[in-house]
Amino acid sequence: DTGVSQDPRHKITKRGQNVTFRCDPISEHNRLYWYRQTLGQGPEFLTYFQNEAQLEKSRLLSDRFSAERPKGSFSTLEIQRTEQGDSAMYLCASSPNTGPTIYFGEGSWLTVV
Amino acid sequence: AQTVTQSQPEMSVQEAETVTLSCTYDTSESDYYLFWYKQPPSRQMILVIRQEAYKQQNATENRFSVNFQKAAKSFSLKISDSQLGDAAMYFCAYRSEGYGGSQGNLIFGKGTKLSVKP
Repeated sequence: DTGVSQDPRHKITKRGQNVTFRCDPISEHNRLYWYRQTLGQGPEFLTYFQNEAQLEKSRLLSDRFSAERPKGSFSTLEIQRTEQGDSAMYLCASSPNTGPTIYFGEGSWLTVV
Repeated sequence: AQTVTQSQPEMSVQEAETVTLSCTYDTSESDYYLFWYKQPPSRQMILVIRQEAYKQQNATENRFSVNFQKAAKSFSLKISDSQLGDAAMYFCAYRSEGYGGSQGNLIFGKGTKLSVKP
């Protein structure tokens, strides 16, 4: 049973560049979530997919952020024109339609220099 | 809106001793779930224990147990016989019972950093 996998695990980018993170959820999990976590804080919700439909976006998700889940399987989170304030860990998580537990990946660390 | 508060930024426990981490939450809902997640230095968030609000019995998972006080909106985690591997950030989280929209998302506290002394 493979867990939620994220790629890349670490990314260093220059300010103004675009970055993309990929998430592969647990097989057959319909729901997929993206969270952002900064040092010393708990994760904050960014967006949520039910299959391929993006059902909710947080106000934290500015216009520079876009997420997709084209076939209801893996998801990508793209950040355009990165800023230093985007430096954080981006966590992906998934859950089945039934059952309340949400399972997390190892996260993708982003450092914007 | 629901909120989760963890008032202990850091805690320390001696190996083999017992420690209790505190969590309070605010909600107007009657049906929901509460979780404790552990995030070791490797940073992957791992589920420790889950409590359904409709259950009066406190959840237990091996050395981990909770004290769920629904009326007081309190949800503390007790770790018995602490081990070095228990050292991590512990997050309390709330999830609404509904599965649609924001009701399906986790709301986290700021976490408690637990250190275990040998």
